Amino acid sequence: SQQGEEDPQALSIQEGENATMNCSYKTSINNLQWYRQNSGRGLVHLILIRSNEREKHSGRLRVTLDTSKKSSSLLITASRAADTASYFCATVNNAGNMLTFGGGTRLMVKP
Amino acid sequence: NAGVTQTPKFQVLKTGQSMTLQCAQDMNHEYMSWYRQDPGMGLRLIHYSVGAGITDQGEVPNGYNVSRSTTEDFPLRLLSAAPSQTSVYFCASSAGPLSGNTIYFGEGSWLTVV
Repeated sequence: SQQGEEDPQALSIQEGENATMNCSYKTSINNLQWYRQNSGRGLVHLILIRSNEREKHSGRLRVTLDTSKKSSSLLITASRAADTASYFCATVNNAGNMLTFGGGTRLMVKP
Repeated sequence: NAGVTQTPKFQVLKTGQSMTLQCAQDMNHEYMSWYRQDPGMGLRLIHYSVGAGITDQGEVPNGYNVSRSTTEDFPLRLLSAAPSQTSVYFCASSAGPLSGNTIYFGEGSWLTVV
């Protein structure tokens, strides 16, 4: 079974609104990463947060990590139609040799 | 700099046939891996390699073989294809341990087994 579960599975918002996606995982991790996947394409790395970090920002992206709850969230502020994609969280184990993905959130941003 | 290159992009196989999905990277990365992605799901790790001559199993290794004779190449072999192996396959590479390095993905290989 996959390490992470994401919530919601699908999200539809209007352009300009914020989008929040949540991820939960099961085992101890070294770091957690978020990826974006456009339909029919490969994955693009968005941001990495280490297990000793609680919050990280990159442009319009804000990621939080709560290791006590084994959960993370990705916030996309001021969303654009071009943000329409699937977003996946993935965790790296403590050995640093395996990256395990959640099921993803399909985001649609309506113009 | 081509990054991670996968071939073929699309392939249709008959049940029982064998084939190899090729993956090459030109970044001198030590770590390479193969994932499969089924419709509406996240990626699942099939096999990975932390360096030439070293391979290990991931979450869903059954039905697949890999080898790592060079740093650049990491082919994935299906010895006897089954319809359950219909999926999109992604190869990925990283400079080193995932604890400190970004992983880069290829564009995917669409495989249909009929």
